[in-house]
Amino acid sequence: GAVVSQHPSRVICKSGTSVKIECRSLDFQATTMFWYRQFPKKSLMLMATSNEGSKATYEQGVEKDKFLINHASLTLSTLTVTSAHPEDSSFYICSASKASGTDTQYFGPGTRLTVL
Amino acid sequence: AQSVTQLGSHVSVSEGALVLLRCNYSSSVPPYLFWYVQYPNQGLQLLLKYTTGATLVKGINGFEAEFKKSETSFHLTKPSAHMSDAAEYFCAVSDMGADGLTFGKGTHLIIQP
Repeated sequence: GAVVSQHPSRVICKSGTSVKIECRSLDFQATTMFWYRQFPKKSLMLMATSNEGSKATYEQGVEKDKFLINHASLTLSTLTVTSAHPEDSSFYICSASKASGTDTQYFGPGTRLTVL
Repeated sequence: AQSVTQLGSHVSVSEGALVLLRCNYSSSVPPYLFWYVQYPNQGLQLLLKYTTGATLVKGINGFEAEFKKSETSFHLTKPSAHMSDAAEYFCAVSDMGADGLTFGKGTHLIIQP
């Protein structure tokens, strides 16, 4: 068990448009979900922590008005990149924890965003 | 603030040889430590984790890591490398276990036949 999916796996959009990425826990309820961004040849950077039914907590330097996160249910979190620009092109990865206070995160396969 | 340093962005070993991937961390509180593996075009998979208790942790695929508090290290080892071990390996740390993870920059493991 503990499978996390992301949709879409790849997306290409025009500059100025918005893109929504979904993260789903398929076989468990995720109280907490995390969103990371992975730059080429570099590590994953935590963007925000999302608890079901609450506002997301953003890391320093991450624009909350640009990266909208919604965690409306225990199996779904969405990341919307608003007014995307080429510098937003990246690999976005979500993870989920089964319960609050647990220490294991299960990662999705990631979404490759390319902004033209 | 937490940080993770992985020495060597690329490590190359021969098939059958010892694998050693280095990880040093800094944390203001007792850390939870993790090693993840990422195969091409796949998501991160947990190899092993240290929370509390025994400092030598065994994971999947024959990997193990030892938490050394005095050295602030959590190096990953495998006695005998296999071609299928070729991948990107990430060391990560968190406080209290429930926070988001702070990752190192990753080490690309290359296995020579």
